[in-house]
Amino acid sequence: SQELEQSPQSLIVQEGKNLTINCTSSKTLYGLYWYKQKYGEGLIFLMMLQKGGEEKSHEKITAKLDEKKQQSSLHITASQPSHAGIYLCGADPINTGTASKLTFGTGTRLQVTL
Amino acid sequence: DAGVIQSPRHEVTEMGQEVTLRCKPISGHNSLFWYRQTMMRGLELLIYFNNNVPIDDSGMPEDRFSAKMPNASFSTLKIQPSEPRDSAVYFCASSLVGSDWRFGAGTRLSVL
Repeated sequence: SQELEQSPQSLIVQEGKNLTINCTSSKTLYGLYWYKQKYGEGLIFLMMLQKGGEEKSHEKITAKLDEKKQQSSLHITASQPSHAGIYLCGADPINTGTASKLTFGTGTRLQVTL
Repeated sequence: DAGVIQSPRHEVTEMGQEVTLRCKPISGHNSLFWYRQTMMRGLELLIYFNNNVPIDDSGMPEDRFSAKMPNASFSTLKIQPSEPRDSAVYFCASSLVGSDWRFGAGTRLSVL
């Protein structure tokens, strides 16, 4: 089965600094989802990537999928306290064309200090 | 759109008791998923349904766990009897043909 590894496991950054979170798969990714989770809340969808080399941005968050489609990165520019939370990458372990089910990485816990 | 609705939000019970978690998916979504999140194991898929039919229950840890989806707007996850190691946050999610994935706020279960 596909395994997703995220790094780092946890991250503490000062407000205003940039940061990158990585998600690496043992198999080709046919759909890679990024979610954010705040304590006590559900998962909030951020972005989905499908094509090799694809890059998407939303506000100060940019996600990329490499050409080989085995690694994705999530980059936050000028971090703010509102960015704090757990970031999870998820992917369909089987190439069905659509995400029939998602398995998730272990998550990256982000803290933003003032 | 009220989102995926889970109840209760918090459940505290004693070992050996039956626990029932409930989920109402997004109207029109045809797939429903139950996940469990713990510090040790992260987010694990327990079972999912397509058009109310269970497709893959390989993630269900033991026979003590069961899930049903009697109609398109309701699903339950039952644990009987509950054990302390079942303590976790249980999430329900729904999607439409593999897109528009949405998660509920979760049920935090504590088994004493």
